[in-house]
Amino acid sequence: EAGVTQSPTHLIKTRGQQATLRCSPISGHTSVYWYQQALGLGLQFLLWYDEGEERNRGNFPPRFSGRQFPNYSSELNVNALELEDSALYLCASSALTGASQPQHFGDGTRLSIL
Amino acid sequence: AQSVTQPDIHITVSEGASLELRCNYSYGATPYLFWYVQSPGQGLQLLLKYFSGDTLVQGIKGFEAEFKRSQSSFNLRKPSVHWSDAAEYFCAVGSILTGGGNKLTFGTGTQLKVEL
Repeated sequence: EAGVTQSPTHLIKTRGQQATLRCSPISGHTSVYWYQQALGLGLQFLLWYDEGEERNRGNFPPRFSGRQFPNYSSELNVNALELEDSALYLCASSALTGASQPQHFGDGTRLSIL
Repeated sequence: AQSVTQPDIHITVSEGASLELRCNYSYGATPYLFWYVQSPGQGLQLLLKYFSGDTLVQGIKGFEAEFKRSQSSFNLRKPSVHWSDAAEYFCAVGSILTGGGNKLTFGTGTQLKVEL
């Protein structure tokens, strides 16, 4: 069974540009979560998508957005990039909703802002 | 609000020695607790989880964790560490989101170094 896959592995952008990160969940998983792992800030919940809808978001500005496609894959878009957006962005998927459902993570996309 | 504390930022152990990584949580209801491991340049791998029932849970790679409600702790243990266990370990608590989702709140992680 293929795990969660993310692309690209690395992404280099400059301030003010837009970044698009992609995630394919484990087959059969309908929920996709995005987390940011920034130096000094740890792992923080960004967004949750389920059945094609954004269901919840963490404490991040609106320039962090995304979508989920009919095949449950997901995109994270970050507009007007700032230096502090440099981080590892992790995508996770789970089979069902509920706090007891474990999340399975991809290897992440390293976003570097110059 | 929920929170997780991992008091040890770095831990060094000798190969073959026992290991205990500490985790304390703050959560108003029954906690859903997880331990993940992250190797350099990789994502998080689930080691084990606790939802209810037996307070001693077994995970992959020979790891186990014990839930102690009275101490709000969920410490990770391994009887004999292997050099390949060197990585960063994260404790997390899951909380239910509106709509049924699961938001993970992570601790700051413990970096494990294994001396040969």
